Amino acid sequence: DGGITQSPKYLFRKEGQNVTLSCEQNLNHDAMYWYRQDPGQGLRLIYYSQIVNDFQKGDIAEGYSVSREKKESFPLTVTSAQKNPTAFYLCASSSGPASGRAVDTQYFGPGTRLTVL
Amino acid sequence: AQKVTQAQTEISVVEKEDVTLDCVYETRDTTYYLFWYKQPPSGELVFLIRRNSFDEQNEISGRYSWNFQKSTSSFNFTITASQVVDSAVYFCALSEDDYKLSFGAGTTVTVRA
Repeated sequence: DGGITQSPKYLFRKEGQNVTLSCEQNLNHDAMYWYRQDPGQGLRLIYYSQIVNDFQKGDIAEGYSVSREKKESFPLTVTSAQKNPTAFYLCASSSGPASGRAVDTQYFGPGTRLTVL
Repeated sequence: AQKVTQAQTEISVVEKEDVTLDCVYETRDTTYYLFWYKQPPSGELVFLIRRNSFDEQNEISGRYSWNFQKSTSSFNFTITASQVVDSAVYFCALSEDDYKLSFGAGTTVTVRA
Protein backbone atom coordinates (compact mmCIF):
# COMPACT_ATOMS: atom_id res chain seq x y z
CA ASP A 1 0.00 0.00 0.00
CA GLY A 2 1.25 3.46 -0.86
CA GLY A 3 1.44 5.97 1.91
CA ILE A 4 3.41 8.03 4.36
CA THR A 5 4.88 6.57 7.52
CA GLN A 6 6.14 8.45 10.52
CA SER A 7 7.99 6.95 13.40
CA PRO A 8 7.78 6.76 16.27
CA LYS A 9 4.16 7.61 17.12
CA TYR A 10 5.12 8.87 20.58
CA LEU A 11 8.52 10.24 21.55
CA PHE A 12 9.80 11.44 24.88
CA ARG A 13 13.03 13.34 25.31
CA LYS A 14 14.82 15.26 28.01
CA GLU A 15 15.22 18.98 27.66
CA GLY A 16 18.40 19.93 25.82
CA GLN A 17 18.58 16.79 23.69
CA ASN A 18 18.32 16.79 19.93
CA VAL A 19 15.78 14.37 18.48
CA THR A 20 15.12 13.21 14.91
CA LEU A 21 11.66 12.38 13.61
CA SER A 22 11.37 10.04 10.69
CA CYS A 23 9.16 10.49 7.60
CA GLU A 24 9.10 8.06 4.69
CA GLN A 25 6.81 7.97 1.65
CA ASN A 26 6.40 5.45 -1.15
CA LEU A 27 4.07 7.57 -3.27
CA ASN A 28 6.87 8.65 -5.61
CA HIS A 29 6.15 12.25 -4.62
CA ASP A 30 8.74 14.94 -5.23
CA ALA A 31 7.62 17.37 -2.54
CA MET A 32 7.63 16.76 1.21
CA TYR A 33 6.66 18.95 4.15
CA TRP A 34 6.88 19.16 7.93
CA TYR A 35 4.18 20.81 10.01
CA ARG A 36 3.82 21.46 13.70
CA GLN A 37 0.44 21.39 15.46
CA ASP A 38 -0.17 22.79 18.93
CA PRO A 39 -3.39 22.17 20.90
CA GLY A 40 -6.34 24.12 19.54
CA GLN A 41 -4.35 25.49 16.64
CA GLY A 42 -3.98 24.84 12.96
CA LEU A 43 -0.87 23.46 11.35
CA ARG A 44 2.19 25.62 10.86
CA LEU A 45 4.83 24.89 8.23
CA ILE A 46 8.35 24.19 9.49
CA TYR A 47 10.25 23.16 6.35
CA TYR A 48 9.44 21.92 2.89
CA SER A 49 11.36 20.32 0.05
CA GLN A 50 10.28 20.29 -3.55
CA ILE A 51 13.08 18.08 -4.78
CA VAL A 52 15.95 15.95 -3.51
CA ASN A 53 18.90 17.87 -2.04
CA ASP A 54 16.88 21.07 -1.77
CA PHE A 55 14.69 22.43 1.01
CA GLN A 56 13.21 25.72 2.14
CA LYS A 57 12.35 27.24 5.50
CA GLY A 58 8.71 27.56 6.35
CA ASP A 59 7.07 29.92 8.80
CA ILE A 60 8.60 28.50 12.01
CA ALA A 61 11.97 26.97 11.04
CA GLU A 62 13.98 28.26 14.00
CA GLY A 63 15.28 25.42 16.15
CA TYR A 64 14.67 22.77 13.49
CA SER A 65 16.78 21.22 10.74
CA VAL A 66 16.05 18.84 7.86
CA SER A 67 17.79 16.90 5.13
CA ARG A 68 16.56 15.47 1.84
CA GLU A 69 19.15 13.00 0.60
CA LYS A 70 16.61 10.57 -0.81
CA LYS A 71 13.30 11.15 -2.56
CA GLU A 72 11.49 8.87 -0.11
CA SER A 73 12.80 10.35 3.11
CA PHE A 74 12.60 13.74 4.82
CA PRO A 75 13.79 13.52 8.46
CA LEU A 76 13.25 16.41 10.85
CA THR A 77 15.65 17.16 13.71
CA VAL A 78 14.33 19.11 16.65
CA THR A 79 17.37 20.77 18.17
CA SER A 80 17.98 22.02 21.67
CA ALA A 81 17.59 25.54 20.28
CA GLN A 82 13.84 24.99 19.83
CA LYS A 83 12.38 26.69 22.89
CA ASN A 84 9.09 24.86 23.10
CA PRO A 85 9.39 21.57 21.20
CA THR A 86 6.49 19.68 22.77
CA ALA A 87 3.93 19.35 19.97
CA PHE A 88 2.37 17.05 17.39
CA TYR A 89 4.46 16.84 14.21
CA LEU A 90 2.96 15.94 10.86
CA CYS A 91 4.75 15.08 7.67
CA ALA A 92 3.11 15.44 4.26
CA SER A 93 3.95 14.87 0.63
CA SER A 94 2.63 15.92 -2.75
CA SER A 95 3.49 15.32 -6.39
CA GLY A 96 5.40 18.57 -6.55
CA PRO A 97 6.88 20.22 -9.67
CA ALA A 98 6.82 16.98 -11.67
CA SER A 99 3.04 17.08 -11.81
CA GLY A 100 3.08 20.26 -13.87
CA ARG A 101 0.35 21.72 -11.69
CA ALA A 102 0.78 24.90 -9.71
CA VAL A 103 -0.59 23.40 -6.52
CA ASP A 104 -0.96 19.78 -5.54
CA THR A 105 -2.94 18.09 -2.83
CA GLN A 106 -0.83 17.28 0.20
CA TYR A 107 -1.28 13.90 1.85
CA PHE A 108 -0.37 13.44 5.48
CA GLY A 109 1.26 10.82 7.63
CA PRO A 110 -0.07 9.67 11.03
CA GLY A 111 2.08 12.11 12.99
CA THR A 112 4.56 11.93 15.86
CA ARG A 113 3.70 13.33 19.26
CA LEU A 114 6.86 14.70 20.87
CA THR A 115 6.99 15.43 24.57
CA VAL A 116 10.02 17.09 26.09
CA LEU A 117 10.35 16.46 29.81
CA ALA B 1 -2.32 38.25 8.94
CA GLN B 2 -4.63 35.28 9.23
CA LYS B 3 -5.38 33.98 5.76
CA VAL B 4 -7.97 31.41 6.77
CA THR B 5 -10.53 31.99 9.50
CA GLN B 6 -12.70 29.30 10.99
CA ALA B 7 -14.80 31.24 13.45
CA GLN B 8 -16.45 28.19 15.02
CA THR B 9 -14.16 26.59 17.57
CA GLU B 10 -16.49 23.76 18.57
CA ILE B 11 -19.82 22.42 17.33
CA SER B 12 -21.82 19.75 19.13
CA VAL B 13 -24.80 18.05 17.49
CA VAL B 14 -26.97 15.03 17.99
CA GLU B 15 -26.69 12.24 15.47
CA LYS B 16 -28.65 12.80 12.24
CA GLU B 17 -28.53 16.58 12.56
CA ASP B 18 -26.89 18.57 9.80
CA VAL B 19 -23.80 20.61 10.62
CA THR B 20 -22.24 23.41 8.60
CA LEU B 21 -18.65 24.53 9.10
CA ASP B 22 -17.71 28.03 8.07
CA CYS B 23 -14.45 29.02 6.37
CA VAL B 24 -13.51 32.52 5.28
CA TYR B 25 -10.26 33.15 3.46
CA GLU B 26 -8.20 36.15 2.45
CA THR B 27 -6.02 36.40 -0.64
CA ARG B 28 -5.05 38.93 -3.29
CA ASP B 29 -4.29 36.25 -5.85
CA THR B 30 -6.74 35.45 -8.62
CA THR B 31 -5.55 31.85 -8.76
CA TYR B 32 -5.70 29.91 -5.53
CA TYR B 33 -6.82 26.58 -4.13
CA LEU B 34 -8.97 25.71 -1.15
CA PHE B 35 -8.97 22.47 0.78
CA TRP B 36 -10.85 20.75 3.59
CA TYR B 37 -9.14 18.14 5.76
CA LYS B 38 -10.55 15.97 8.54
CA GLN B 39 -8.48 15.05 11.61
CA PRO B 40 -10.03 12.18 13.58
CA PRO B 41 -8.84 11.40 17.12
CA SER B 42 -6.04 9.22 15.68
CA GLY B 43 -4.35 12.44 14.50
CA GLU B 44 -3.79 11.83 10.80
CA LEU B 45 -5.15 14.49 8.46
CA VAL B 46 -7.46 13.05 5.85
CA PHE B 47 -7.95 14.96 2.60
CA LEU B 48 -11.62 15.63 1.79
CA ILE B 49 -11.81 18.09 -1.09
CA ARG B 50 -9.86 20.57 -3.19
CA ARG B 51 -11.29 23.45 -5.24
CA ASN B 52 -9.55 25.98 -7.46
CA SER B 53 -10.60 29.61 -7.63
CA PHE B 54 -12.03 29.27 -11.13
CA ASP B 55 -14.47 26.54 -10.22
CA GLU B 56 -17.36 27.84 -8.15
CA GLN B 57 -19.56 24.84 -8.70
CA ASN B 58 -20.82 23.50 -5.46
CA GLU B 59 -20.16 19.86 -4.88
CA ILE B 60 -21.91 17.02 -3.13
CA SER B 61 -20.18 13.79 -2.21
CA GLY B 62 -22.34 11.42 -0.24
CA ARG B 63 -23.25 13.16 3.01
CA TYR B 64 -20.70 15.94 2.43
CA SER B 65 -21.32 19.10 0.45
CA TRP B 66 -19.31 22.26 -0.14
CA ASN B 67 -20.44 25.79 -0.91
CA PHE B 68 -17.76 27.96 -2.53
CA GLN B 69 -18.62 31.67 -2.92
CA LYS B 70 -15.88 33.98 -4.21
CA SER B 71 -18.06 37.05 -3.63
CA THR B 72 -17.89 36.48 0.11
CA SER B 73 -14.52 34.64 0.17
CA SER B 74 -16.14 31.66 1.81
CA PHE B 75 -15.79 27.91 1.38
CA ASN B 76 -18.28 26.30 3.73
CA PHE B 77 -18.66 22.59 4.40
CA THR B 78 -21.85 20.76 5.39
CA ILE B 79 -22.26 17.28 6.80
CA THR B 80 -25.80 16.02 6.27
CA ALA B 81 -27.34 13.53 8.68
CA SER B 82 -24.27 13.48 10.89
CA GLN B 83 -22.95 10.27 12.41
CA VAL B 84 -20.77 9.59 15.43
CA VAL B 85 -17.89 8.71 13.08
CA ASP B 86 -17.95 12.29 11.81
CA SER B 87 -16.60 13.47 15.16
CA ALA B 88 -13.26 15.07 14.35
CA VAL B 89 -11.46 18.35 13.89
CA TYR B 90 -12.04 19.84 10.45
CA PHE B 91 -9.52 22.18 8.86
CA CYS B 92 -9.95 24.57 5.98
CA ALA B 93 -6.74 25.50 4.11
CA LEU B 94 -5.65 27.88 1.38
CA SER B 95 -2.83 27.57 -1.14
CA GLU B 96 -1.82 30.48 -3.35
CA ASP B 97 0.94 30.48 -5.95
CA ASP B 98 3.35 28.12 -4.24
CA TYR B 99 3.33 24.78 -2.49
CA LYS B 100 2.50 26.01 0.97
CA LEU B 101 -0.80 25.51 2.76
CA SER B 102 -2.20 28.08 5.20
CA PHE B 103 -4.51 26.37 7.67
CA GLY B 104 -7.35 27.72 9.73
CA ALA B 105 -7.42 26.94 13.45
CA GLY B 106 -9.90 24.12 12.93
CA THR B 107 -13.44 23.36 14.11
CA THR B 108 -14.02 20.49 16.50
CA VAL B 109 -17.20 18.61 15.66
CA THR B 110 -18.73 16.31 18.26
CA VAL B 111 -21.62 14.14 17.19
CA ARG B 112 -23.52 12.60 20.11
CA ALA B 113 -25.45 9.39 19.76
